[in-house]
Amino acid sequence: AQSVAQPEDQVNVAEGNPLTVKCTYSVSGNPYLFWYVQYPNRGLQFLLKYITGDNLVKGSYGFEAEFNKSQTSFHLKKPSALVSDSALYFCAVSLTNQAGTALIFGKGTTLSVSS
Amino acid sequence: DTGVSQDPRHKITKRGQNVTFRCDPISEHNRLYWYRQTLGQGPEFLTYFQNEAQLEKSRLLSDRFSAERPKGSFSTLEIQRTEQGDSAMYLCASSLAMGLTETQYFGPGTRLLVL
Repeated sequence: AQSVAQPEDQVNVAEGNPLTVKCTYSVSGNPYLFWYVQYPNRGLQFLLKYITGDNLVKGSYGFEAEFNKSQTSFHLKKPSALVSDSALYFCAVSLTNQAGTALIFGKGTTLSVSS
Repeated sequence: DTGVSQDPRHKITKRGQNVTFRCDPISEHNRLYWYRQTLGQGPEFLTYFQNEAQLEKSRLLSDRFSAERPKGSFSTLEIQRTEQGDSAMYLCASSLAMGLTETQYFGPGTRLLVL
């Protein structure tokens, strides 16, 4: 069965420091991978996705993610964190060989950036 | 604002009552998804439409749940005989299918509380 794991419930980082939010996946076939961010009482906002090609994907608000096929990981990164980055982050996967594919989400990681 | 909209944003109801939620997707998006998100969890897929056709339903979608997208534009999700376990955030997403590549854009959600 397809699944996504976000091993950390919470990540704490100081403003200006680099941040990493971890994600690993388990699928059969080639995955499409996504990161979304959720602010309190709001829906999910799309950050970035990996389809194919370059393993380093750049997205919104200075975020990037690195696809690692051998480690089945898709970690979200940012070189310099901002307090406004504090939010709930979700990793998600869908399958490339299935049309109209539902996203399978991890449980989410709360990012807290302190000033 | 041309994003996905949902109405109402909040709904409090008594157990056994019926509720209906509405989702208006991004204009010209041909796919529309419903997800449910409970506290501390990532969104879970419920059902999806391509134009007006409902093409997939999750096992989470019991027979008390029904969804429609009558003209391939807005969609409604109805829950009959609500139970306390139905309390959750109901998220709608839409996408424009282009081959096997699509990005789902989410609305702000409808938070349901069943007393």
